[in-house]
Amino acid sequence: DAMVIQNPRYQVTQFGKPVTLSCSQTLNHNVMYWYQQKSSQAPKLLFHYYDKDFNNEADTPDNFQSRRPNTSFCFLDIRSPGLGDAAMYLCATSSNVGNQPQHFGDGTRLSIL
Amino acid sequence: SQQGEEDPQALSIQEGENATMNCSYKTSINNLQWYRQNSGRGLVHLILIRSNEREKHSGRLRVTLDTSKKSSSLLITASRAADTASYFCATGGGSQGNLIFGKGTKLSVKP
Repeated sequence: DAMVIQNPRYQVTQFGKPVTLSCSQTLNHNVMYWYQQKSSQAPKLLFHYYDKDFNNEADTPDNFQSRRPNTSFCFLDIRSPGLGDAAMYLCATSSNVGNQPQHFGDGTRLSIL
Repeated sequence: SQQGEEDPQALSIQEGENATMNCSYKTSINNLQWYRQNSGRGLVHLILIRSNEREKHSGRLRVTLDTSKKSSSLLITASRAADTASYFCATGGGSQGNLIFGKGTKLSVKP
């Protein structure tokens, strides 16, 4: 089945220690998104890629970076995680930009010690 | 910025009852989407209703859209314990028309 896969499901890192979360997709979608979701809150878009074009949301902290080496993979790098970065990170894809239906992975829950 | 706001924030019902959740939004839309999120999992797309549609059905789901009131409702009929989840509406109010999600309604269906 075509899907969006996030690894790992749970990630623990230390305060200030860089961490990378990964996402892969078999849907061959042009667009990949990264969302941050804190407990009982709405998913908040951090950035998205349309093919290789990177689009950062205006309020996404500089601490968050992303890489998309090819169509299938996308990475979220947090350079110096703070306690406030503990959250669920969701990757999603869609066939095109704009308000298209999105396909989500099951997320990576990040804890900061 | 918040585009969609769901109401109620939490809803608890018995299996077999109907569940209705409402969503209000602020700006004009091309479509409105509903998603489900089971605890600890990703979101699953349920249904999309276009701005020129007033009602749409998918299995036990019924979605209505009133663009004059900038509101939508999601009705789940004959609910099951497996319907226990958070439900989010989303509209294209973000940059490049990207989706902005509401805070969600947490539905609990008791067996």
